[in-house]
Amino acid sequence: GAVVSQHPSWVICKSGTSVKIECRSLDFQATTMFWYRQFPKQSLMLMATSNEGSKATYEQGVEKDKFLINHASLTLSTLTVTSAHPEDSSFYICSARDGGRGGNQPQHFGDGTRLSIL
Amino acid sequence: DAKTTQPPSMDCAEGRAANLPCNHSTISGNEYVYWYRQIHSQGPQYIIHGLKNNETNEMASLIITEDRKSSTLILPHATLRDTAVYYCIVRGAGTASKLTFGTGTRLQVTL
Repeated sequence: GAVVSQHPSWVICKSGTSVKIECRSLDFQATTMFWYRQFPKQSLMLMATSNEGSKATYEQGVEKDKFLINHASLTLSTLTVTSAHPEDSSFYICSARDGGRGGNQPQHFGDGTRLSIL
Repeated sequence: DAKTTQPPSMDCAEGRAANLPCNHSTISGNEYVYWYRQIHSQGPQYIIHGLKNNETNEMASLIITEDRKSSTLILPHATLRDTAVYYCIVRGAGTASKLTFGTGTRLQVTL
């Protein structure tokens, strides 16, 4: 089945540090990838849609200069949390869909990255 | 995309069938019903999806009413490992369509 790999699975860093999270589709090509954020006891919230070779589309209220997204290839998207602060601590989850098999294909999710900013 | 309504929580005895309902009364003709689940501290896992016909795979069955305004996810023989939050999501078929998560149903499978 479709596999999405996300790395790292957890990271702890100091306030002001920038953190990069990688998302890879391992056995399919993903023209579109999605980044979500989940706070404790809440549901997933879509942050942005990442399109290969073009700029990401951010949801309302998500700062594009804070959350930099790069989707340089059909199998890799990265999310960089710039100058992270404690309020950015959260569970970040990426998702990808096999764009070569029609628009109703399911999205598959990585196992998430737990980010803790001290 | 149409919104969905699910009960916040359900219990099920291990070995019994778990039937999780979902209302999506404003679904439009080209929108699919997707089910995912999220086990604690993991990413969501795809379970099944359908348009109007009932669907079955190795994990579950999806029953969609004829008017498509509601559906039921059936786990035929629930185990303790099925304890999770289950999300019912309606999404269009376009490649740019997004999955928008609601609050889901927290299924607790007990001995």
